[in-house]
Amino acid sequence: EIVLTQSPATLSLSPGERATLSCRASQSVSSYLAWYQQKPGQAPRLLIYDASNRATGVPARFSGSGSGTDFTLTITSLEPEDFAVYYCQQRGNWLTFGGGTKVEIK
Amino acid sequence: QVQLVESGGGVVQPGRSLRLSCAASGFTFSSYGMHWVRQAPGKGLEWVAVISHDGTNKYYADSVKGRFTISRDNSKNTLYLEVNSLRAEDTAVYYCAKDQVLTAAGTYFDHWGQGTLATVSS
Repeated sequence: EIVLTQSPATLSLSPGERATLSCRASQSVSSYLAWYQQKPGQAPRLLIYDASNRATGVPARFSGSGSGTDFTLTITSLEPEDFAVYYCQQRGNWLTFGGGTKVEIK
Repeated sequence: QVQLVESGGGVVQPGRSLRLSCAASGFTFSSYGMHWVRQAPGKGLEWVAVISHDGTNKYYADSVKGRFTISRDNSKNTLYLEVNSLRAEDTAVYYCAKDQVLTAAGTYFDHWGQGTLATVSS
């Protein structure tokens, strides 16, 4: 099973700041990685797939990069609605999720 | 628009069974693989099972293999999850989710239901 490790566990930032979230895989998943956003009491929402492709309707301030074992989700300027938990997910070998990064208001 | 509506959750005793359902609309249900993903209270996401668009292929997480059964009825646009021999650690919100890619069964989850809570407790 491929293990995805997300860091940091919590990111404390202010609106307007840049957020950089990391996801590291225990073995290569090529570019088969997605990012999801989950707000309290809601289902997850697909943001990025295949490492760098934005899903339909996702604002341009969200971007993804990386390949192999190291991936990054960047939010260029945090909006109030971006404070949430973010999960990465790989499909290179079965389907697994990372443990999540909580982006909270500083 | 795509809609996925889960039902069937509730409180159940350890060792008992539950059948979860997911009613789909707004897309050609019979053309997409479908998944169940669960989330224990305050925890992260765990993929549980997938079924191919035509129901011929089914895959499960090791944690549920042999106890859970995924199925679908394309004539009713409905996905099911039969959960047997329930344990306390199966307590979670169960989400159904649509596979992103036409006829694929194991890519990404582009639409999710609101979830149904199953609580295993004596």
